[in-house]
Amino acid sequence: ETGVTQSPTHLIKTRGQQVTLRCSSQSGHNTVSWYQQALGQGPQFIFQYYREEENGRGNFPPRFSGLQFPNYSSELNVNALELDDSALYLCASSFKRTSGRGTDTQYFGPGTRLTVL
Amino acid sequence: AQSVTQLGSHVSVSEGALVLLRCNYSSSVPPYLFWYVQYPNQGLQLLLKYTSAATLVKGINGFEAEFKKSETSFHLTKPSAHMSDAAEYFCAVRGGSQGNLIFGKGTKLSVKP
Repeated sequence: ETGVTQSPTHLIKTRGQQVTLRCSSQSGHNTVSWYQQALGQGPQFIFQYYREEENGRGNFPPRFSGLQFPNYSSELNVNALELDDSALYLCASSFKRTSGRGTDTQYFGPGTRLTVL
Repeated sequence: AQSVTQLGSHVSVSEGALVLLRCNYSSSVPPYLFWYVQYPNQGLQLLLKYTSAATLVKGINGFEAEFKKSETSFHLTKPSAHMSDAAEYFCAVRGGSQGNLIFGKGTKLSVKP
């Protein structure tokens, strides 16, 4: 069974640029959630994707957007990068039942470290 | 709205000593609670979870946590610390209709030889 993978591992961008981060979910999972972890802080929920649609969003501006593909992998896109976007971006996959609220346990990938200069 | 508070941003113990990491939660509904561990430059690994079954939950690597509704607590313990336990530990509660996790600020555990 393959776990959650993320790419790239590290990324350096400059202010104003755009970035795309990728996540492959664990086998059998249909839901992907993205979190931002600033240095010295706990992860903060960005948004969740289920059935290729955004299924909830935290307190992040619209320049944070995403996609989910038919194979349940996902992308996180950030436009107009700001210095405060420097963080570890974590992807978590889980299984969501059609009839249920919420998802089962979330399993995290290793993260992508984004540095904005 | 759900939230968690982790008491103590840094805990230091000697190898072989008891580990106690504190977490208090706030929730308007019966909570689902989690402990995750993060080793340097890595993602989060699930240690254990509480989903309204047994109040004493056993996890990996010898860790366990006890859900106490009267104290709104979910403290993490391990009887005997090992050097390899040095890491950052996060308590989380499941919140929102989509089940996203709400994390505490984390507690960094140091283990002295």
